[in-house]
Amino acid sequence: GDSVTQMEGPVTLSEEAFLTINCTYTATGYPSLFWYVQYPGEGLQLLLKATKADDKGSNKGFEATYRKETTSFHLEKGSVQVSDSAVYFCALRPLNSGGSNYKLTFGKGTLLTVNP
Amino acid sequence: NAGVTQTPKFRVLKTGQSMTLLCAQDMNHEYMYWYRQDPGMGLRLIHYSVGEGTTAKGEVPDGYNVSRLKKQNFLLGLESAAPSQTSVYFCASSRQGGQSSPLHFGNGTRLTVT
Repeated sequence: GDSVTQMEGPVTLSEEAFLTINCTYTATGYPSLFWYVQYPGEGLQLLLKATKADDKGSNKGFEATYRKETTSFHLEKGSVQVSDSAVYFCALRPLNSGGSNYKLTFGKGTLLTVNP
Repeated sequence: NAGVTQTPKFRVLKTGQSMTLLCAQDMNHEYMYWYRQDPGMGLRLIHYSVGEGTTAKGEVPDGYNVSRLKKQNFLLGLESAAPSQTSVYFCASSRQGGQSSPLHFGNGTRLTVT
């Protein structure tokens, strides 16, 4: 079945450091890929998405590129801030197959802590 | 715009007790979902609904029941709570089932079963 594997945390960085959180997936065909962010005490919020190979999703300085050849969707940010401290989830939604294309499969999440 | 609202925010139950978690969305979304979040496990889908009056089982449905009597509400019931159901529960909704339709989440309900 479909699965998402993301790097285990926690990740601790200093402010203005470069961030990479790795995410790889297993799925049939061309799923849509997402990054969600969860701030303390809140629900998940969509951070960015990509729906086809080579698409780049971007938002709030974060970027991720859909790489079909490596089945990856790594999250990057050039200069993190204290306010970026949160849990980040990679997720996929499969291509329409038997009516299951509305279900998201999540990775286990990566806790990021940014220190001043 | 409230989005997705979950009640209650916190609850403590004793083993064997029952309760209902309420989820309400004001975005006129067709699809609604219940997830549970456990440390090191990510989010796992319990049940979902693709429209008013319909429900379906997700990845971990045992011990839970759901109802979608109104389009805006999705209820999650625990008939006889067990310590294994201690978790944070998230409700979500989406406009449609298409690949690019994102999920909108509530802020969660933290449930402890003693």
